[in-house]
Amino acid sequence: ILNVEQSPQSLHVQEGDSTNFTCSFPSSNFYALHWYRWETAKSPEALFVMTLNGDEKKKGRISATLNTKEGYSYLYIKGSQPEDSATYLCAFKFGNAGYSTLTFGKGTMLLVSP
Amino acid sequence: GAVVSQHPSRVICKSGTSVKIECRSLDFQATTMFWYRQFPKQSLMLMATSNEGSKATYEQGVEKDKFLINHASLTLSTLTVTSAHPEDSSFYICSASPPGAPRSYEQYFGPGTRLTVT
Repeated sequence: ILNVEQSPQSLHVQEGDSTNFTCSFPSSNFYALHWYRWETAKSPEALFVMTLNGDEKKKGRISATLNTKEGYSYLYIKGSQPEDSATYLCAFKFGNAGYSTLTFGKGTMLLVSP
Repeated sequence: GAVVSQHPSRVICKSGTSVKIECRSLDFQATTMFWYRQFPKQSLMLMATSNEGSKATYEQGVEKDKFLINHASLTLSTLTVTSAHPEDSSFYICSASPPGAPRSYEQYFGPGTRLTVT
């Protein structure tokens, strides 16, 4: 059974704070790591798909890093804004595209207060 | 970006009845769609992989006779919860990706359906 762990479970920060979350996954047979942002009553929105050890990706104030050898990824938000409030999901994919599917963590719920 | 719609967004039904949930890819064709379920405080759990024109592939522990999946076209997959019971109350969400997508492909999700069985 694949285990994808996310921490913290929830986080409450003030506007302007920078924050980061962790996603841990099995380090063997890695294929890809996905990050999603999920706002209430909306579809999960893909943020990043990371495939190479050492990958760093950035979208605006949000960035992510990947360490496949030790099995973790960090998501960073710089200068959090209230509109960043959402649940951030990571999902792990092992093997190859034809034979495996996404295994999700439980998510980190972020609340940014004005 | 690609859009996936899901209908209905919320449904309440009585125990013993059947409920159909639709998942549509609006601006791309999807040979494969995925159905997930999420119970409170739990992660999204894959139920089945829906393949256009063929039988769905169900994950271990998911009853295929209870959760009927039909993927009749490249833009539509349906999940029918048959003879629903209160324990089937959950959040159901689908996803899809364009065919032939590379390793770095994204999966596009619908907004989900909240099912409550009374």
